[in-house]
Amino acid sequence: DTGVSQNPRHKITKRGQNVTFRCDPISEHNRLYWYRQTLGQGPEFLTYFQNEAQLEKSRLLSDRFSAERPKGSFSTLEIQRTEQGDSAMYLCASNDFPHTKNIQYFGAGTRLSVL
Amino acid sequence: GDSVTQMEGPVTLSEEAFLTINCTYTATGYPSLFWYVQYPGEGLQLLLKATKADDKGSNKGFEATYRKETTSFHLEKGSVQVSDSAVYFCALSKIPMGDYGGSQGNLIFGKGTKLSVKP
Repeated sequence: DTGVSQNPRHKITKRGQNVTFRCDPISEHNRLYWYRQTLGQGPEFLTYFQNEAQLEKSRLLSDRFSAERPKGSFSTLEIQRTEQGDSAMYLCASNDFPHTKNIQYFGAGTRLSVL
Repeated sequence: GDSVTQMEGPVTLSEEAFLTINCTYTATGYPSLFWYVQYPGEGLQLLLKATKADDKGSNKGFEATYRKETTSFHLEKGSVQVSDSAVYFCALSKIPMGDYGGSQGNLIFGKGTKLSVKP
């Protein structure tokens, strides 16, 4: 069990560029969650998948954001036409629902800086 | 809507001091409550949890009791160490007991409290 892996750890981009982040959950975990954490705040829920199905999206997830989990394993989060307000830490978590339904295992996050 | 409020930091303590970080919540129904910890450069780790009223979660010397009457889940430790320096997040989850698949289950976090322990 290698834990939840997120890549890259840091991303610096210019406003207007597109960025994509990857999350590899713990093997066999069927649920995968994305959160966003801005400076001085707690993580805020963005979206989640059960296997390959995206079941819920927060109102925080604007049209410029898209997430996929094509084979029910790793997931990608893409931000199009980045804005300075997108600068944040993007966290991924996974669990084996319902067996560990009350516990989510987090990756170290991808820190995005939009210049 | 559901929310979590925790005391603002930073909190600075000397080694072996007593720690309390206050956390209160607003939620309908019967949420599960959690404390997560984030060490520098690392991901969030579950510290402890409680799933029903009067449950006490404990781990690594930390404790928190689910108090429904005061909607609180305060984190305590009797003697902190330098290695406890981290950011602590209180969180709730709305998965009801017996729900196997239908609900969202996302966590709602407080803003976090940074703890610094000096030798």
